[in-house]
Amino acid sequence: EVQLLESGGGLVQPGGSLRLSCAASGFTFINYAMSWVRQAPGKGLEWVSGISGSGSSTYFADSVKGRFTISRDNSKNTLYLQMNSLRAEDTAVYYCAKGYLAARPSYMDVWGEGTTVTVSS
Amino acid sequence: DIQMTQSPSSLSASVGDRVTITCRASQSISSYLNWYQQRPGKAPKLLIYAASSLQSGVPSRFSGSGSGTDFTLTISSLQPEDFATYYCQQDYSNLLTFGGGTKVEIK
Repeated sequence: EVQLLESGGGLVQPGGSLRLSCAASGFTFINYAMSWVRQAPGKGLEWVSGISGSGSSTYFADSVKGRFTISRDNSKNTLYLQMNSLRAEDTAVYYCAKGYLAARPSYMDVWGEGTTVTVSS
Repeated sequence: DIQMTQSPSSLSASVGDRVTITCRASQSISSYLNWYQQRPGKAPKLLIYAASSLQSGVPSRFSGSGSGTDFTLTISSLQPEDFATYYCQQDYSNLLTFGGGTKVEIK
């Protein structure tokens, strides 16, 4: 069964850092680009970042560029999102999602259940 | 970035109704348009990809059409489990973007 399981969410103060992880199983991880998508409370979906299957190419929404870093460890079938300089507006449920292509972000056919990040003092 | 605009933002409908949701892109995106369903408290679920291709396991009452800048998602006969929020998303650009969502509520 294809599965994605996020972890690492929690409460962090403004200006702080947090690292999210997404453990993948049931498919050949390196063959697919992956993305992080977030949803603020009561709001819509926002794509945050994507990474190619090899990890050589990364992409970021303007709202997080320069503060967030995406990476992957294909030997561990795990995706990461390093979030620095966190702001209140980063408060959201963060979803990990599997893309359809290897080279770049595309439509997302498998999603995790999400992990909640709350930025507050 | 490519902006995606959905309409309406919400609608009320009855079981058995035909429902149409529209999505407009700020520039031509060919057929790089996808639709998702999200039920409350759940992760999004892919319904339609490449504007009109039905994802495996999705009921045939869901259909998509359009190309260029204007797209539609149609539910031919609304079922109780279809009351949810629907999002369009473009993957023409490497920087993906979603529409604001359309909430389908029970009339």
